Amino acid sequence: GNSVTQMEGPVTLSEEAFLTINCTYTATGYPSLFWYVQYPGEGLQLLLKATKADDKGSNKGFEATYRKETTSFHLEKGSVQVSDSAVYFCALSERNRDDKIIFGKGTRLHILP
Amino acid sequence: KAGVTQTPRYLIKTRGQQVTLSCSPISGHRSVSWYQQTPGQGLQFLFEYFSETQRNKGNFPGRFSGRQFSNSRSEMNVSTLELGDSALYLCASSSVPGPLNTEAFFGQGTRLTVV
Repeated sequence: GNSVTQMEGPVTLSEEAFLTINCTYTATGYPSLFWYVQYPGEGLQLLLKATKADDKGSNKGFEATYRKETTSFHLEKGSVQVSDSAVYFCALSERNRDDKIIFGKGTRLHILP
Repeated sequence: KAGVTQTPRYLIKTRGQQVTLSCSPISGHRSVSWYQQTPGQGLQFLFEYFSETQRNKGNFPGRFSGRQFSNSRSEMNVSTLELGDSALYLCASSSVPGPLNTEAFFGQGTRLTVV
């Protein structure tokens, strides 16, 4: 079945460092890919998405490119801020009869001032 | 417009009891999905309702059930609570069934603690 694997955390970086959180997926068809963020004490928010191969999703300085050849959707940000500290979830959804969202286990990110 | 509202925010129950959680989706959204979030298992899909019908179901025992009302509000019920049911329960609403090319909007969740 479909699945999402993302790097385990926690990831700790200093402010202004470059961020990469790896995400790979397994899917039988052509899924849409998402990154969600969960700030402390809150629900999930959609950060960005990509719906087909080579699409790049971007928001708030974060980017991720849908790579079909490597089945990856790595999240990157050039210069992180303390306010980016949160848990990040990679997810996929495939348009078929069972097109529910499947999430990775989440990566906790700590940014030090 | 108002977001997804989940009530209550926090709940403490005893083993063997039952609990009902509520979710009010964004106005106009007819699809509601429920997820269980735990440190060990991450986010796991429970079920999805669309227009009062269960459209999809995850791999949870029959103690977990849900329903959706004509105004799209949804409830989930857990009977005979176990310690392992302690989790954050998240509700998400969307305008169409399944996420497809739209995003799901999440509520803040209900934190259930079973003692």
